[in-house]
Amino acid sequence: AQRVTQPEKLLSVFKGAPVELKCNYSYSGSPELFWYVQYSRQRLQLLLRHISRESIKGFTADLNKGETSFHLKKPFAQEEDSAMYYCALFKGNTGKLIFGQGTTLQVKP
Amino acid sequence: ETGVTQSPTHLIKTRGQQVTLRCSSQSGHNTVSWYQQALGQGPQFIFQYYREEENGRGNFPPRFSGLQFPNYSSELNVNALELDDSALYLCASSLPGQGLTEAFFGQGTRLTVV
Repeated sequence: AQRVTQPEKLLSVFKGAPVELKCNYSYSGSPELFWYVQYSRQRLQLLLRHISRESIKGFTADLNKGETSFHLKKPFAQEEDSAMYYCALFKGNTGKLIFGQGTTLQVKP
Repeated sequence: ETGVTQSPTHLIKTRGQQVTLRCSSQSGHNTVSWYQQALGQGPQFIFQYYREEENGRGNFPPRFSGLQFPNYSSELNVNALELDDSALYLCASSLPGQGLTEAFFGQGTRLTVV
């Protein structure tokens, strides 16, 4: 069964500290993975996708097929990074995104 | 460019009633997906519409149904409401290409069933 697991409900760090939000997936095909972010009182929006290998707002994520992981990282957290982060897997033949339960990132001053 | 808009923003219904939620897709997007997000959970896929046809469905009973119109706007209908249907309902529009292009989400409709 396809599944996305985000083991941490809450991650709390101090400003300037490194951040790693964990995501593990279960999928029998070639995965397409995404990170979505929801800032307070805003709608869910795409942060980055693994196929573009980009860095957005200082965040990067590398797909590790051996460990079936797609962890989100940032070397120095900023207070404005505080938000809910969702890892999602795209199941191509049905057009659906499978979301993890989400991790709240809290960056303290 | 117009974003995804959903209406209403909040709704309270009684168990057993029926509800219709509406979504206007982003300009130029011909694919609309609906998700249910229960409190403390990630969004769960209900179904997707592409060019007015259902194009994929999640594990939701038939009392969850939808429509897509020629202008690509969409409706989600839920019959015989149950207390567990209380959730945030999200609509997302996209323009399919190779794999999934970016899905743009609406702000959601908060449904409370009492």
